[in-house]
Amino acid sequence: GDSVTQTEGPVTLSEGTSLTVNCSYETKQYPTLFWYVQYPGEGPQLLFKVPKANEKGSNRGFEATYNKEATSFHLQKASVQESDSAVYYCALDQGGRALIFGTGTTVSVSP
Amino acid sequence: EAAVTQSPRNKVAVTGGKVTLSCNQTNNHNNMYWYRQDTGHGLRLIHYSYGAGSTEKGDIPDGYKASRPSQENFSLILELATPSQTSVYFCASGTGGNQDTQYFGPGTRLLVL
Repeated sequence: GDSVTQTEGPVTLSEGTSLTVNCSYETKQYPTLFWYVQYPGEGPQLLFKVPKANEKGSNRGFEATYNKEATSFHLQKASVQESDSAVYYCALDQGGRALIFGTGTTVSVSP
Repeated sequence: EAAVTQSPRNKVAVTGGKVTLSCNQTNNHNNMYWYRQDTGHGLRLIHYSYGAGSTEKGDIPDGYKASRPSQENFSLILELATPSQTSVYFCASGTGGNQDTQYFGPGTRLLVL
């Protein structure tokens, strides 16, 4: 079945450093890929989504490229801030049934 | 004005008791979902619905029932709660179809003693 695997956390960084959260997926379909972010005490919210292979999505300085050949969708940010501390989820859709989420990666950024 | 709300936000239940978690959405979305969130497992789908009167089993439905009496409301029911159901539960709504963005509520923290 479909699955998503992402970097195990926690990931601890200092402000101003770069962030990469790896995400790889398995599916026989042509999914849309998503990154969701969850701040403490809140539900997950969409960071961005990419429906097509070889395209890039971005939001709030984060970006990821849909790599169909490598079945990857790694999240990157060049310079993190303390406010980026959150749990990040990679996900793929199942053609409207529901989303398959990875296990989440906790990112902690210290000032 | 939050579009997906959940109640209660926190709940303590006893083993063997009945628990009902409620979700309301004002997005007018057809699809609604219930997930549970556990460390090491991420978000896992329990039940979902395509519209009023419809409920479908997700990936981990055992021990849970769902009810969708209207477009706006979707409930998750634990008839006989067990300690293994201690978790954080999230409701979400979406339009359905490919590329669907799901909108999540703030979650319900359930502790079963």
